Amino acid sequence: NAGVMQNPRHLVRRRGQEARLRCSPMKGHSHVYWYRQLPEEGLKFMVYLQKENIIDESGMPKERFSAEFPKEGPSILRIQQVVRGDSAAYFCASSERQGDEAFFGQGTRLTVV
Amino acid sequence: GQSLEQPSEVTAVEGAIVQINCTYQTSGFYGLSWYQQHDGGAPTFLSYNALDGLEETGRFSSFLSRSDSYGYLLLQELQMKDSASYFCASEGSSASKIIFGSGTRLSIRP
Repeated sequence: NAGVMQNPRHLVRRRGQEARLRCSPMKGHSHVYWYRQLPEEGLKFMVYLQKENIIDESGMPKERFSAEFPKEGPSILRIQQVVRGDSAAYFCASSERQGDEAFFGQGTRLTVV
Repeated sequence: GQSLEQPSEVTAVEGAIVQINCTYQTSGFYGLSWYQQHDGGAPTFLSYNALDGLEETGRFSSFLSRSDSYGYLLLQELQMKDSASYFCASEGSSASKIIFGSGTRLSIRP
């Protein structure tokens, strides 16, 4: 059973471009969480999704950021018109049920140049 | 709102014991988790306390006191590979998300 898969592992974008981060949860997991981590800082909650539904997006910036978890395929975190401040590691986690232990992917390290 | 407070850095000696504390303020509380993260790596789950008391898993133990809104992670027989950041975490009032503390960076000296 493969773990949580995130790709790409590293992503470089120029200011103004779009970044698309993908997360495939563990098999059988229908709950997905996205977190952002700046260097030397903790994990900041962004959004919690179940299949086809956004359950909690209280940590998402109001503009430029969106997330989806379609019925088929991976969860996508999309950042439009990236700025230097978006540079961070973005982690995805999944769980089988709400409140269960969350398993993390290896993260996508986004660098905006 | 929710917040979890933990020390930013702790230093210990190889072979010793270290305790990392976490105090929390949450509008609802289900339990306290601990995660380990090595530099450049993913957070990995260590332990979970839903009830008061001590949970032991090998060299690691975790404690929770709900009445004090306090918990700690205890690491025994420290090894150099234990050098990492440790995060306490708690679910939201509706268990809709996991909120993390800012992390404690554990440095171990020979």
